[in-house]
Amino acid sequence: AQKVTQAQTEISVVEKEDVTLDCVYETRDTTYYLFWYKQPPSGELVFLIRRNSFDEQNEISGRYSWNFQKSTSSFNFTITASQVVDSAVYFCALSEGRRNTGFQKLVFGTGTRLLVSP
Amino acid sequence: DGGITQSPKYLFRKEGQNVTLSCEQNLNHDAMYWYRQDPGQGLRLIYYSQIVNDFQKGDIAEGYSVSREKKESFPLTVTSAQKNPTAFYLCASSIGAAEAFFGQGTRLTVV
Repeated sequence: AQKVTQAQTEISVVEKEDVTLDCVYETRDTTYYLFWYKQPPSGELVFLIRRNSFDEQNEISGRYSWNFQKSTSSFNFTITASQVVDSAVYFCALSEGRRNTGFQKLVFGTGTRLLVSP
Repeated sequence: DGGITQSPKYLFRKEGQNVTLSCEQNLNHDAMYWYRQDPGQGLRLIYYSQIVNDFQKGDIAEGYSVSREKKESFPLTVTSAQKNPTAFYLCASSIGAAEAFFGQGTRLTVV
């Protein structure tokens, strides 16, 4: 069975601190996709990144960076110099959909609530 | 602007009532999904649809029903058989294995 574990329920930091959100996944598929979504207080999920299982390159987008390591089945998310606007719940997810199918069935972790105080 | 629209934002249901949550997308996506979110939990898949007139049960389909008569629309009915319907419901759509886009959600409360 596919599973995503986000062991950190809640993290509190002070503005400008760096913070890393952990994500560990389990799957028997050789082809899969990993995602991070942000859920601000308004409720909608905002897509942050998608990574396929064949691409282990780390990615940086502004203050955000992601570290994908297949050897440890982890896909961790780091926010550098955090800001109050980063306060949200962050979800890591794994897609069960196989390549070339017309859908993507996501398995979500339980989320990490990030609180950034001024 | 393309996107997913869910309505209403808040919905109250009396015991024994069926209620329908609306989800409309203008992204021309083939696949649509319904997820349920409970406090402190991740999202769980209720139903999904790959194409018009076809849909599949997700992990927690009991007490729910859907239809997909148009590509743009994927309404979810919460029936009286759903014993614990109070939750936050999110609709999403995707094209192939690309990222899913989500609506703003409907918060359903049983009164």
